[in-house]
Amino acid sequence: AQSVTQLGSHVSVSEGALVLLRCNYSSSVPPYLFWYVQYPNQGLQLLLKYTTGATLVKGINGFEAEFKKSETSFHLTKPSAHMSDAAEYFCAVSVYGTASKLTFGTGTRLQVTL
Amino acid sequence: GAVVSQHPSWVICKSGTSVKIECRSLDFQATTMFWYRQFPKQSLMLMATSNEGSKATYEQGVEKDKFLINHASLTLSTLTVTSAHPEDSSFYICSALQGATYEQYFGPGTRLTVT
Repeated sequence: AQSVTQLGSHVSVSEGALVLLRCNYSSSVPPYLFWYVQYPNQGLQLLLKYTTGATLVKGINGFEAEFKKSETSFHLTKPSAHMSDAAEYFCAVSVYGTASKLTFGTGTRLQVTL
Repeated sequence: GAVVSQHPSWVICKSGTSVKIECRSLDFQATTMFWYRQFPKQSLMLMATSNEGSKATYEQGVEKDKFLINHASLTLSTLTVTSAHPEDSSFYICSALQGATYEQYFGPGTRLTVT
């Protein structure tokens, strides 16, 4: 079975500051890892995903994440926060890619202040 | 491309009644769709996997007779909450699996309030 832990249910950063959202996973087999963003009353949008290969994954809107097997982590970063980044972010794990069920973390709400 | 819609976006119903939520893949065919439930300030929990032309696969703890899922076509899956109770109030989100990319695309969600 797999699981995801997101440290920090709420993160607040200033506009222009570094964004770091933490995600640790547990999986008995090599995982597929995802970050999704959810704006209020909307569904989820895929930011980026790790399947195999390069451990540094670049996604949309300037976000990137690095898969670190030794640390079982997949933290999401963005060098400079923008007001429009304020949203809920979910880390998810899948054993067989998106074709199988996704196990989500509890989410991190990102607040961006002026 | 890869747009998934849900209808209605929000619904209020009285306790004891049934409500149907539709999930449509607008520009692609989806043999597999997923139904999630999200409680306020919580994560998404998978309820069931819906496969076109066959019975849905429910996650452990999800009542099959209460949450009826029908995937009658390659672009439509429906979730019917039967004999709804206030504790069924939640945000229901569907996703559709696009075969070409093997990606799940999520609908905007349906907020159900049972009074």
